[in-house]
Amino acid sequence: AQSVTQPDIHITVSEGASLELRCNYSYGATPYLFWYVQSPGQGLQLLLKYFSGDTLVQGIKGFEAEFKRSQSSFNLRKPSVHWSDAAEYFCAVGGITGTYKYIFGTGTRLKVLA
Amino acid sequence: KAGVTQTPRYLIKTRGQQVTLSCSPISGHRSVSWYQQTPGQGLQFLFEYFSETQRNKGNFPGRFSGRQFSNSRSEMNVSTLELGDSALYLCASSDRGNEQFFGPGTRLTVL
Repeated sequence: AQSVTQPDIHITVSEGASLELRCNYSYGATPYLFWYVQSPGQGLQLLLKYFSGDTLVQGIKGFEAEFKRSQSSFNLRKPSVHWSDAAEYFCAVGGITGTYKYIFGTGTRLKVLA
Repeated sequence: KAGVTQTPRYLIKTRGQQVTLSCSPISGHRSVSWYQQTPGQGLQFLFEYFSETQRNKGNFPGRFSGRQFSNSRSEMNVSTLELGDSALYLCASSDRGNEQFFGPGTRLTVL
């Protein structure tokens, strides 16, 4: 069965520090992978996506993610975190044939210390 | 282009009532998906509509239903509301690119 695991429920970093959010997936075929961010009371905003090709993808707000097929991972990174990055981050897998159904991880809540 | 819009943004109902939520997709998008988000269960897929046909359905009871109109607007309905139906309901629309664009959600509170 398809699944997405985000092992870190909460992460706290200091402003200016680097960030890595982990995501592991289980999927029977080549997945489409996504990272979304959600601010309190808001919907989901797409940060970046991986469909194929270069395994290092760049997104908005200075985020990047690397697809590693051998590790079934799609970790999100940012070299220097800003206070405005505090939010909840969701990894998702899609691409299930014939549908737009996504499977989401449980999310990682990021807190940024000034 | 305008984004995905959802109405209403907030809703308070009592147990046993029914509710209808509306979603207007991005112009030109023919697929609309619905998700329920709760603190305990996270984001769970409800159903997906494409060109007025339900293409996929999540693991929710029959009290949850939806439909899509010829203009791609979609509605979801929850009958006989339960306390556990309190959630943020998110709608997402897609074109052919397999990328979903999410609306701001409807916050449903069941008392």
